Amino acid sequence: EVQVVESGGGLVQPGGSLRLSCVPSGFSFNAYWMGWVRQAPGKGLEWVAIVNQDGGERFYVDSLKGRFSISRDNAKNSLYLSAYNLRADDTAVYYCAIPTSIGTVDYWGQGTQVTVSS
Amino acid sequence: DVMMTQSPLSLPVTLGQPASISCRSSQSLVSSDGNIYLNWFQHRPGHSPRRLIYRVSDRESGVPDRFSGSGSGTDFTLKISRVEPEDVAFYYCMQGTHWPWTFGQGTKVDI
Repeated sequence: EVQVVESGGGLVQPGGSLRLSCVPSGFSFNAYWMGWVRQAPGKGLEWVAIVNQDGGERFYVDSLKGRFSISRDNAKNSLYLSAYNLRADDTAVYYCAIPTSIGTVDYWGQGTQVTVSS
Repeated sequence: DVMMTQSPLSLPVTLGQPASISCRSSQSLVSSDGNIYLNWFQHRPGHSPRRLIYRVSDRESGVPDRFSGSGSGTDFTLKISRVEPEDVAFYYCMQGTHWPWTFGQGTKVDI
């Protein structure tokens, strides 16, 4: 059974930074792309970033380029999302999203809340 | 970016009756491999999204057969043949053909 555990969320001041972690289990981590999706309060789902199996290819939604960085450590079966210069509109639940099949998300984490506020 | 437009955004339903949600993409979702990567997810507040349908009409294992997906090109539909109480949720279409993958705005299905 695939399980996905996220951590790293919390309250951050505007302009601050944080790093979210995602540690899945129950499948071959280094065989698949991995990504992050977020949902702001009262809003819909939004892709943030995605990374390929060896971390060499990374794609971001244009609006977040430069402030968010996705990475992975296959030796630790871990996915990360680093966020910098956070703003109030980055407040959201961030989900680890795992596309083990092309063009879809097969598994989701439980979500970690990020709140940007002074 | 590919824009996904869902309608309606709010769908009052009656238990036991059918329901239908439309999703339209701003460009063709036919991939270079010939597949159409159009998905439907169910999202209940406080829970993770749950995939219902992938590749337009393939139902996820364990999803009740009252859920079905159809469509082609740029127009897609999610149908619930008979709404059950546990179907109250938000429903999102998502295209996985063009990066960035994009979601529709979401449809709130409520009794």
